[in-house]
Amino acid sequence: GAGVSQSPSNKVTEKGKDVELRCDPISGHTALYWYRQRLGQGLEFLIYFQGNSAPDKSGLPSDRFSAERTGESVSTLTIQRTQQEDSAVYLCASSPRWSSYEQYFGPGTRLTVT
Amino acid sequence: TQLLEQSPQFLSIQEGENLTVYCNSSSVFSSLQWYRQEPGEGPVLLVTVVTGGEVKKLKRLTFQFGDARKDSSLHITAAQPGDTGLYLCAGVHSGGSNYKLTFGKGTLLTVNP
Repeated sequence: GAGVSQSPSNKVTEKGKDVELRCDPISGHTALYWYRQRLGQGLEFLIYFQGNSAPDKSGLPSDRFSAERTGESVSTLTIQRTQQEDSAVYLCASSPRWSSYEQYFGPGTRLTVT
Repeated sequence: TQLLEQSPQFLSIQEGENLTVYCNSSSVFSSLQWYRQEPGEGPVLLVTVVTGGEVKKLKRLTFQFGDARKDSSLHITAAQPGDTGLYLCAGVHSGGSNYKLTFGKGTLLTVNP
């Protein structure tokens, strides 16, 4: 079956512009996660969705970052007024239930802010 | 911040050699996972360990969870070029939110033919 997909795979943007990153989770997976991976760093938790609600937004670095999810499907991570330090790979993962150890990751979106 | 420290950060070996990578913390974890990530891809889950002292084997890979559930190791026997990748450990803190994984920075393994 289809895995987690993310688009675009690469995004280059100018400092100050807004970007939207998309995640399509595995069908039927109720939980969805966004992570950020900077070069040479581990994955940094950003936000967790259970269905279309986000009980944990604690990892969002600033109010420039926001995320939405439509039902139990697509999620969009939006970064407003991008800064160079936002350059990273943004990874999305989904899991079949909220307490699952089984997180299935997408290939990520590589964001470069120039 | 409760960290997972991985060592070594980089490891380059020849095909056929054995290796061990480590994941250490001062915190107790209710579960710990190992992932492998290849360039341009997301991490892929290899194993989950939940019991102190637990040992799991996956072909040539052996995973161990420390007795105190603060550390873990991954041993690869007779490494092959296909084992090349970034190995990440991740844990769920004991008493913490059971959906939130804390990741180490990873060990980048290169196996040369």
